[in-house]
Amino acid sequence: DVKVTQSSRYLVKRTGEKVFLECVQDMDHENMFWYRQDPGLGLRLIYFSYDVKMKEKGDIPEGYSVSREKKERFSLILESASTNQTSMYLCASSLTGGRLELAKNIQYFGAGTRLSVL
Amino acid sequence: TQLLEQSPQFLSIQEGENLTVYCNSSSVFSSLQWYRQEPGEGPVLLVTVVTGGEVKKLKRLTFQFGDARKDSSLHITAAQPGDTGLYLCAGPDDNYGQNFVFGPGTRLSVLP
Repeated sequence: DVKVTQSSRYLVKRTGEKVFLECVQDMDHENMFWYRQDPGLGLRLIYFSYDVKMKEKGDIPEGYSVSREKKERFSLILESASTNQTSMYLCASSLTGGRLELAKNIQYFGAGTRLSVL
Repeated sequence: TQLLEQSPQFLSIQEGENLTVYCNSSSVFSSLQWYRQEPGEGPVLLVTVVTGGEVKKLKRLTFQFGDARKDSSLHITAAQPGDTGLYLCAGPDDNYGQNFVFGPGTRLSVLP
């Protein structure tokens, strides 16, 4: 079974703190994604990565950065946390390219990190 | 831009009832996935449908992919409280590399 592990289930941080959210997948997936999920707004894509050291902005990248130094690990960084970044953060991974079969073009999610910024 | 719509947005039913929720788009999708998300958890994949007209069953859950691959439905027979959660449909964004499109979800509450 694919496993996507997010390092923390719950985090409470203060405004202005630098926050690191870690995500590790064990299925050798090329693609990794960070979303935030808010009531009424659905899943919104923050950043994604198709390969090591590669990153692309999603729909709402402002206030966030990412790091992908190893294939299995994708980190989301809040440079200076603000109260409007209180949310559920979801990491996901998927296959790509030559190893992709149509029926396996799906995303697998971690359990999520619920972040509260006070 | 490919978009997915889901209906209804909210559904509250009694245990034992049947229900159907829908996922629709004006775009063709190469495949669609259904996820269930329980409160405080990440989405868990239930099924992926690939072929137009395909029907897949997962115990009391029946998933159908529309013939034109623009829509899908999820039917639950004899709903149980354990079916409570947010049901999301999603599909590959064929216009944007390896990204995915998600519907807003149907929030189902099954009352005992």
